[in-house]
Amino acid sequence: EVQLVQSGAEVKKPGESLTISCEASGYTFTDHWIGWVRQMSGKGLEWMGNIYPGDSETRYSPSFQGQVTISADKSIRTAYMQWSSLKASDAGMYYCARKRRHGGGMDYWGQGTLVTVSS
Amino acid sequence: EIVMTQSPASLSVSPGERVTLSCRASQSISDYLAWYQQKPGQAPRLLIYDSSTRATDIPARFSGSGSGTEFTLTISSLQSEDFAIYYCQQYNGWPPVWTFGQGTTVEIK
Repeated sequence: EVQLVQSGAEVKKPGESLTISCEASGYTFTDHWIGWVRQMSGKGLEWMGNIYPGDSETRYSPSFQGQVTISADKSIRTAYMQWSSLKASDAGMYYCARKRRHGGGMDYWGQGTLVTVSS
Repeated sequence: EIVMTQSPASLSVSPGERVTLSCRASQSISDYLAWYQQKPGQAPRLLIYDSSTRATDIPARFSGSGSGTEFTLTISSLQSEDFAIYYCQQYNGWPPVWTFGQGTTVEIK
């Protein structure tokens, strides 16, 4: 069974760093792109970026380029999203999702990680 | 950057009715379009990919069509479990760079 299990909710202060994770199981981790999607409270889905764990090739949305870092450790089948200095506007629900191997569409999603940023 | 525009923003529908949701791309994306359903408190679920192919275990009442810049998601007979927000997403180009539409909320009338 394919599963993406994300790390738990985080409460941080502005300026702090944060890394959230997405652990994959049930499929060949290095065969599928993993994407990250933000959803701010009451708002729509925003694609942030993707990583291909096979070679760590990464693509970012222009809106998030330079704001976050996406990485993956294929030895432990885990993808990461990292902030070096959080802002209040980074608060939201963050989802990881697996891209279908051939063609498009994100067919399996993590349960989401809620990030709260407040002083 | 390709911009995806969904319409309407919301609609009220009675169970059993036929529903048509629209999604427009700012430039041609061929058939590189997916539709997702999201219910409150849940992660999105893939319904349709490549414009018209139903994902695994998606009921036949969901269908997608379109190519180029105009796309449609149709629910042939709305069920109670279909009240949700629906998003389109384009994935034109390689490496994958994607964009979501702003969503359409389907509410109970």
